[in-house]
Amino acid sequence: QKEVEQNSGPLSVPEGAIASLNCTYSDRGSQSFFWYRQYSGKSPELIMSIYSNGDKEDGRFTAQLNKASQYVSLLIRDSQPSDSATYLCAQGRDDKIIFGKGTRLHILP
Amino acid sequence: EPEVTQTPSHQVTQMGQEVILRCVPISNHLYFYWYRQILGQKVEFLVSFYNNEISEKSEIFDDQFSVERPDGSNFTLKIRSTKLEDSAMYFCASSGDISYEQYFGPGTRLTVT
Repeated sequence: QKEVEQNSGPLSVPEGAIASLNCTYSDRGSQSFFWYRQYSGKSPELIMSIYSNGDKEDGRFTAQLNKASQYVSLLIRDSQPSDSATYLCAQGRDDKIIFGKGTRLHILP
Repeated sequence: EPEVTQTPSHQVTQMGQEVILRCVPISNHLYFYWYRQILGQKVEFLVSFYNNEISEKSEIFDDQFSVERPDGSNFTLKIRSTKLEDSAMYFCASSGDISYEQYFGPGTRLTVT
């Protein structure tokens, strides 16, 4: 069974600090990895995609991929209250995306 | 900015009834998907659709489910005879290319009573 594993949280981070979210995956065949943000009762919103080893930065967000360790992470710098949400790690495989259960992030004002 | 739209936002139906959920994908996208999320659980893949045919489907997508692209813009999911356990949020997504970013619609909340 190909799985994407995340700590469910909640992860509490003070406003202005760095939030670090982690994810592991079991399917070595995947070439694409994604982070989605999901507010309660809303749909997943794509915030980062990463396809090769290393870091990818976009504004306050940095995604990190380590294929040897089968590990993906998301760093959120200067955390804001609006960042409070569930963050879904996802792995693309052919015609579908496999999602983790998500990590609930709570930014403390 | 282009977005995926879905109708209705909420559908209530009785067990055994047929429902059709509708989606309008992003206009220049070629790959279309349906996912579902039961309350409190993870987002699960149902089916992918490309070039007017199903390209992959999950174990959840049994004979009670079907998909169709009836015209150049709409993409539908039909559940033939709904069960209580079909109650969930159903998300449509579209992508410009395989294995690339998928963009999700706002979802349809299906409640089966």
